[in-house]
Amino acid sequence: AQSVTQPDIHITVSEGASLELRCNYSYGATPYLFWYVQSPGQGLQLLLKYFSGDTLVQGIKGFEAEFKRSQSSFNLRKPSVHWSDAAEYFCAVGPYNTDKLIFGTGTRLQVFP
Amino acid sequence: EAGVAQSPRYKIIEKRQSVAFWCNPISGHATLYWYQQILGQGPKLLIQFQNNGVVDDSQLPKDRFSAERLKGVDSTLKIQPAKLEDSAVYLCASSLDRGLQPQHFGDGTRLSIL
Repeated sequence: AQSVTQPDIHITVSEGASLELRCNYSYGATPYLFWYVQSPGQGLQLLLKYFSGDTLVQGIKGFEAEFKRSQSSFNLRKPSVHWSDAAEYFCAVGPYNTDKLIFGTGTRLQVFP
Repeated sequence: EAGVAQSPRYKIIEKRQSVAFWCNPISGHATLYWYQQILGQGPKLLIQFQNNGVVDDSQLPKDRFSAERLKGVDSTLKIQPAKLEDSAVYLCASSLDRGLQPQHFGDGTRLSIL
């Protein structure tokens, strides 16, 4: 069965520090992979997506993610976190050529000044 | 461009009552999705429309939930009767067409069942 695991429920970092949010997926074929961000009281905003090609993808707001097929991972990174990055981050997998997204349980990011 | 509009933003009802949520997708978007997001979980797809037809409603509790998109534009999701476990945020999303990402999300309706 398809699934997404985000092992870290809550992460706290200092402003200016680097960030890595983990995402592991279980899927039998080549997946589409996504990272979304959700600020309190708002809907989800797409940060970046991976369909094929270069395994390092760049997104908005200075985020990037790396697809590692051997590890079934799609971790999200940012070299220097800003206080405005505090939010909930969701990793999602979408089977090839369909629209059905399966979301992980999310990682809440807290940023200290 | 205007984003996905949802109303109301908040709703509080007692169990066994009925409730309806409204969604207006981005203009020109053929595909519309309703998600349920329970506190502490990721969104779960309830139903997907392509224009005014249902593509996937496999996870919609059809004994109490219903949804329609009669003219292929805006959509309504209804719960009747509501149960305590229906407390959640209901998110609407739209995309230009099937298989074309990303999905654009509205801000959601937060439903509390007393």
